[in-house]
Amino acid sequence: GENVEQHPSTLSVQEGDSAVIKCTYSDSASNYFPWYKQELGKRPQLIIDIRSNVGEKKDQRIAVTLNKTAKHFSLHITETQPEDSAVYFCAASHGGATNKLIFGTGTLLAVQP
Amino acid sequence: NAGVTQTPKFQVLKTGQSMTLQCAQDMNHEYMSWYRQDPGMGLRLIHYSVGAGITDQGEVPNGYNVSRSTTEDFPLRLLSAAPSQTSVYFCASSPGQGVQETQYFGPGTRLLVL
Repeated sequence: GENVEQHPSTLSVQEGDSAVIKCTYSDSASNYFPWYKQELGKRPQLIIDIRSNVGEKKDQRIAVTLNKTAKHFSLHITETQPEDSAVYFCAASHGGATNKLIFGTGTLLAVQP
Repeated sequence: NAGVTQTPKFQVLKTGQSMTLQCAQDMNHEYMSWYRQDPGMGLRLIHYSVGAGITDQGEVPNGYNVSRSTTEDFPLRLLSAAPSQTSVYFCASSPGQGVQETQYFGPGTRLLVL
């Protein structure tokens, strides 16, 4: 089955710096890669996703890149702000009839003011 | 719309007790799933359903049962609770229809098994 590895497990940056979180997946049939943000004590919420027919997607300060050949995808946050502090999860899915998501183990991002 | 709701918010069980975690959604979503979240292990899929009457196992199904008698409800049953089942449980739903779709999570249930 699918396996998703995520690095780093913790990341501390200064406010205004960029943050990059990387994930690799094992199943070449995966074609949907969402990123979720989870604030302390809250539920995970989707922040951005990318599908296998796209190499990069941007939404304001957030971008995701996908390298299907290498089977890895990354989340990029620019001009970080203290409210970006949270746990970020990547996930991968075959899509199709099940949309069964397999998650990475999460990255705790701390943005220091 | 209330979205995805879960009850209870917190629960303490003794080893061997049984209970049902409730999950409901009012968005007419076909796909529903249950995850458990443990420190350092991310979100692991327990069971999922692609529609009423259809369920399947995820990554960590042992010790849990599910059923999907209606589109709205997807309860998770612990038949004989064990300390290893202490976790935060999230239910999620998505429109499904055979297309990758955003999964919407419920607020979670914190379970402690003594």
